[in-house]
Amino acid sequence: DVKVTQSSRYLVKRTGEKVFLECVQDMDHENMFWYRQDPGLGLRLIYFSYDVKMKEKGDIPEGYSVSREKKERFSLILESASTNQTSMYLCATENGEGWPQHFGDGTRLSIL
Amino acid sequence: SQQGEEDPQALSIQEGENATMNCSYKTSINNLQWYRQNSGRGLVHLILIRSNEREKHSGRLRVTLDTSKKSSSLLITASRAADTASYFCATDSSYKLIFGSGTRLLVRP
Repeated sequence: DVKVTQSSRYLVKRTGEKVFLECVQDMDHENMFWYRQDPGLGLRLIYFSYDVKMKEKGDIPEGYSVSREKKERFSLILESASTNQTSMYLCATENGEGWPQHFGDGTRLSIL
Repeated sequence: SQQGEEDPQALSIQEGENATMNCSYKTSINNLQWYRQNSGRGLVHLILIRSNEREKHSGRLRVTLDTSKKSSSLLITASRAADTASYFCATDSSYKLIFGSGTRLLVRP
């Protein structure tokens, strides 16, 4: 089974802090994704990566950046956290386009 | 913008009954997927149906796809309390999936 591990289940940070969310996968999948999930809005794609050091903007990249230095690790960075970034963040991997995505358990991030 | 929209938004049924959830989408697709999410957890892939398929089964799950109507349905037969979760459809669009806002299913024991 694919295992996707997100570094924290719950995280509380303060406005203006730089926040790092880490995601590690163990299945050598090419593609990795970061989503945020908010009530009534479903999942919205922030960024994705289809190879090491490659990244593509999703639908809501503003206020976020990503890093993929190694194939198994995909980091989401909140450059200067704001309260409207309080959300559930989900990482996913995919073994190529058109294949199922495998999700981590999510990080519930609160920005105070 | 959301590609897939699930209907109903919430569904409450008795254990043993069947649950049907619908998904409509707007543009042409290569495949459509259904996912399940237990409260506070990540999504789990349930089933994928390709655009040239009309029906697919997996255990107690039955998925249909009507590309002419741009719609899909997920049927869970003989539901169990453990089926209580949110269910999402997702359609492919340019290297990414677009998820609907989900159907919350409650199965009462």
